[in-house]
Amino acid sequence: GAGVSQSPSNKVTEKGKDVELRCDPISGHTALYWYRQSLGQGLEFLIYFQGNSAPDKSGLPSDRFSAERTGGSVSTLTIQRTQQEDSAVYLCASSVGTSRTYEQYFGPGTRLTVT
Amino acid sequence: KNQVEQSPQSLIILEGKNCTLQCNYTVSPFSNLRWYKQDTGRGPVSLTIMTFSENTKSNGRYTATLDADTKQSSLHITASQLSDSASYICVVLEAAGNKLTFGGGTRVLVKP
Repeated sequence: GAGVSQSPSNKVTEKGKDVELRCDPISGHTALYWYRQSLGQGLEFLIYFQGNSAPDKSGLPSDRFSAERTGGSVSTLTIQRTQQEDSAVYLCASSVGTSRTYEQYFGPGTRLTVT
Repeated sequence: KNQVEQSPQSLIILEGKNCTLQCNYTVSPFSNLRWYKQDTGRGPVSLTIMTFSENTKSNGRYTATLDADTKQSSLHITASQLSDSASYICVVLEAAGNKLTFGGGTRVLVKP
């Protein structure tokens, strides 16, 4: 079946604008994760969804970042008033179970550039 | 603070040669340790997952080892191919707290 998809693949935005990043997980996967990968850095956890609820938002760097998931499927990560330090690749992953012992399948990422 | 450190940061090897990547972690206790391969412009793809009771696992030309006593893992690539050029990421799952800690990755370039 289809893997995790993300859109757009690339996004260039001006500082101060809002952006929305979309993730379509593998059908039937209960858990959905958002990560950020800055140039030359390791993956940084942002938020985790179990169904439509987010029991762990501990990685969101500021209140400019928010995410939602609807219908237990598609998720949107929103960054308000973007800053240059928000430039990174945003990766989404999904897994069949809600424990992090389950394998996570990653999408190709959205490369965000804030000018 | 739990950490996962990988070395080297990058390496260049000739096609057909072997190489070994290292991962040292301080996460304890841990549930499992994973190695991922990330091609440029793509998301990470799982290579191996090992629990604390396993000390070796293979996936084709990739062999991961784990020493839970010294908190070290290695990923060995045998007979490297050009398609092995990628970043390799070590990830440790905490047993308590259900949290993943990612290493910074090793970037491997295989040259013909």
